[in-house]
Amino acid sequence: ELKVEQNPLFLSMQEGKNYTIYCNYSTTSDRLYWYRQDPGKSLESLFVLLSNGAVKQEGRLMASLDTKARLSTLHITAAVHDLSATYFCAVEVYGQNFVFGPGTRLSVLP
Amino acid sequence: EAGVTQFPSHSVIEKGQTVTLRCDPISGHDNLYWYRRVMGKEIKFLLHFVKESKQDESGMPNNRFLAERTGGTYSTLKVQPAELEDSGVYFCASSQSQGLNTDTQYFGPGTRLTVL
Repeated sequence: ELKVEQNPLFLSMQEGKNYTIYCNYSTTSDRLYWYRQDPGKSLESLFVLLSNGAVKQEGRLMASLDTKARLSTLHITAAVHDLSATYFCAVEVYGQNFVFGPGTRLSVLP
Repeated sequence: EAGVTQFPSHSVIEKGQTVTLRCDPISGHDNLYWYRRVMGKEIKFLLHFVKESKQDESGMPNNRFLAERTGGTYSTLKVQPAELEDSGVYFCASSQSQGLNTDTQYFGPGTRLTVL
């Protein structure tokens, strides 16, 4: 059974600081996704990571994938308040499973 | 505490048939969301209930899809008649309240629908 964990579940950080959210999963996967969810809104796709060593960056967010360790990271650089949201990772085993992590609620404080 | 549950986990039907998916949110959660992921594509929002009322149904693809949440508890999503392009995984999520710190959405395991 595919299980996806995220760490931490809650994160408060000050503007300008850096931090990393971790996503661990239990079985070999084909794709890993990162999503953002703003309060009261639906999911927004951030990144799709397809292969070992994949790294993608968009603004202050950078995601990476280590398939051997079954680990993905979402790194936040010089956080700003607009990044406050809940971040989900999701893991796909093609044609079989698509499982969300529990989400990490990020609050960026001024 | 029980999480969001969905039933069935898998459904295989023929084109033209009807299928009803069910979602049981976490007890006490007013908000209930339906999402769909068609194979190889991104997750798409379908609709959002607040209690028994449809808050936002802008993502519903067409009138073959009907969602209900009688009594503000569980929700059903009916597809009638089903078409091939309806195949995918349907996710349900719930959250406690909007606009407060309790609005994190908790996702169910999804229902995988295959239309042949």
